[in-house]
Amino acid sequence: KNQVEQSPQSLIILEGKNCTLQCNYTVSPFSNLRWYKQDTGRGPVSLTIMTFSENTKSNGRYTATLDADTKQSSLHITASQLSDSASYICVVSAMGAGNMLTFGGGTRLMVKP
Amino acid sequence: SQTIHQWPATLVQPVGSPLSLECTVEGTSNPNLYWYRQAAGRGLQLLFYSVGIGQISSEVPQNLSASRPQDRQFILSSKKLLLSDSGFYLCAWRGQGAGTEAFFGQGTRLTVV
Repeated sequence: KNQVEQSPQSLIILEGKNCTLQCNYTVSPFSNLRWYKQDTGRGPVSLTIMTFSENTKSNGRYTATLDADTKQSSLHITASQLSDSASYICVVSAMGAGNMLTFGGGTRLMVKP
Repeated sequence: SQTIHQWPATLVQPVGSPLSLECTVEGTSNPNLYWYRQAAGRGLQLLFYSVGIGQISSEVPQNLSASRPQDRQFILSSKKLLLSDSGFYLCAWRGQGAGTEAFFGQGTRLTVV
């Protein structure tokens, strides 16, 4: 069964600090991995997407890494801002009919002043 | 450019009433379309996906149904709502390629009372 596990479930950090979110997956056959940011009551918005051959991808203060051998990914947020408070969702896509997406449960990040 | 419209944004319905949520996509053709539900504080659960007009695959057996009457229109329905149907419903679309990004609508907050 395809699964995506994220940790921690929730995280509180002070503004300006860095943090790293983790994602482990068992999706097969693997196609790509995405990190999404979801503000409360809104639809998710893509931050990064990585294929099998990519180890790291940056988007401003967000840097995602992928280890396809251990099936792990991380999202590092640098110099956090209050607007970073949101849920961060790891999504893994499998090859095949419909190119199904498997979603992690998300990490709820709260940045405090 | 491609856009996705989902409505209504919020909905309060009594138990036993029917439901119809609509999602339309502009600026692309033959997209894969998805309906997800997100319970409070939980991850996204895939309900239905469609790879073409009239083609609906159900991931979770329940009292909801989906239809795709046109290429870029996806409808989520129920004949009789249950309290457990309350949640945040998201429509999404992707291109046909395995590496394409998923784009989400803004979501519908459904409260069944």
